[in-house]
Amino acid sequence: DSGVTQTPKHLITATGQRVTLRCSPRSGDLSVYWYQQSLDQGLQFLIQYYNGEERAKGNILERFSAQQFPDLHSELNLSSLELGDSALYFCASSPRLAGRTDTQYFGPGTRLTVL
Amino acid sequence: AQSVTQPDIHITVSEGASLELRCNYSYGATPYLFWYVQSPGQGLQLLLKYFSGDTLVQGIKGFEAEFKRSQSSFNLRKPSVHWSDAAEYFCAVGRNSGNTPLVFGKGTRLSVIA
Repeated sequence: DSGVTQTPKHLITATGQRVTLRCSPRSGDLSVYWYQQSLDQGLQFLIQYYNGEERAKGNILERFSAQQFPDLHSELNLSSLELGDSALYFCASSPRLAGRTDTQYFGPGTRLTVL
Repeated sequence: AQSVTQPDIHITVSEGASLELRCNYSYGATPYLFWYVQSPGQGLQLLLKYFSGDTLVQGIKGFEAEFKRSQSSFNLRKPSVHWSDAAEYFCAVGRNSGNTPLVFGKGTRLSVIA
């Protein structure tokens, strides 16, 4: 158990819908990352937050957005869903260590199926 | 930008045999390197990491990896594979400045046969 929690574990929805994925980082970790894992693209970085502020953006679609709340949990919002958005979405967290990359601890993921 | 190549998509080994999974990275400076394992339907579990110092790093579950700067490689090894090691293995690289996202390889699927 990494200490990172994600809900829900599974999500099945229809095209055009909107969903919210939730992540609670490890206690004390300030950075949260979202990754998407699909068969064709592999593990792709979407977005990073640090202590409530957006820190880095990767291959995140405009239909997707995220935020990190004062209690440090994060939500990833996916809207106007398409079949191709079906994937496993991971959240990871890491502590802040000045000046270098630190270990990221991954949650169990949310499997999104768009029908 | 950094990148990671895992040349082997799928490897099959016999239980008790040794294992080596290959990982090559591209990054202009000294990288931070990681190996993660993903069992079916599970999240990513950290096996080991390299930040600096001794180039041979020990991880959990009897795994080790060696950083070779001259070859831009960080291969994962295990002397004797157990059936429970069957999983997907991912190599990842991070930058040595700032708390930055990881770049992952495509993964190597390991099958273990009796």
